[in-house]
Amino acid sequence: DADVTQTPRNRITKTGKRIMLECSQTKGHDRMYWYRQDPGLGLRLIYYSFDVKDINKGEISDGYSVSRQAQAKFSLSLESAIPNQTALYFCATSQEYNEQFFGPGTRLTVL
Amino acid sequence: SQELEQSPQSLIVQEGKNLTINCTSSKTLYGLYWYKQKYGEGLIFLMMLQKGGEEKSHEKITAKLDEKKQQSSLHITASQPSHAGIYLCGAPNSGTYKYIFGTGTRLKVLA
Repeated sequence: DADVTQTPRNRITKTGKRIMLECSQTKGHDRMYWYRQDPGLGLRLIYYSFDVKDINKGEISDGYSVSRQAQAKFSLSLESAIPNQTALYFCATSQEYNEQFFGPGTRLTVL
Repeated sequence: SQELEQSPQSLIVQEGKNLTINCTSSKTLYGLYWYKQKYGEGLIFLMMLQKGGEEKSHEKITAKLDEKKQQSSLHITASQPSHAGIYLCGAPNSGTYKYIFGTGTRLKVLA
């Protein structure tokens, strides 16, 4: 079984809808991250969490919110989706400042 | 802020050829990670380099970190179609608790 899982893997939604992307990990890592990937822009950090009570904004947090429900779970919400949030979203984990392990990604399309 | 620049942005090689991808940092690196991403999928961790002059190999892939710790290279020997994908370098952002990533090098290997 994969160490970092994301659900859903694909989602098509309409402008204005609320969307939640979920991430779970079995690696026992304390740190979790949400990134979005756009062609030509690489990976950009949305939010990161060092533990359940420590959540921080990344470089592009506007329009997004997160919840760290447990050490193993970190969800990303789009309160009111807009078309420019169409992207590939990745969850990642790390133990302290070591290498990150990524989930398979969620492809989100906002019409 | 620190940035990672990768070159080339894309590469097409004939199967069996050697190739090199470079990652240059605007500031001293305190760790450099190489990842591979198959198109539309998650990132797979390849190698981590921390010390100046360090070199690591895995199968036909060798990564080096220069003595000044501002540039890393990834070399693939006798490329195969299975090496195709996007290669990204990533690093802890000096002075922060975040990671930064290069924009990636898209590799295609022709059979």
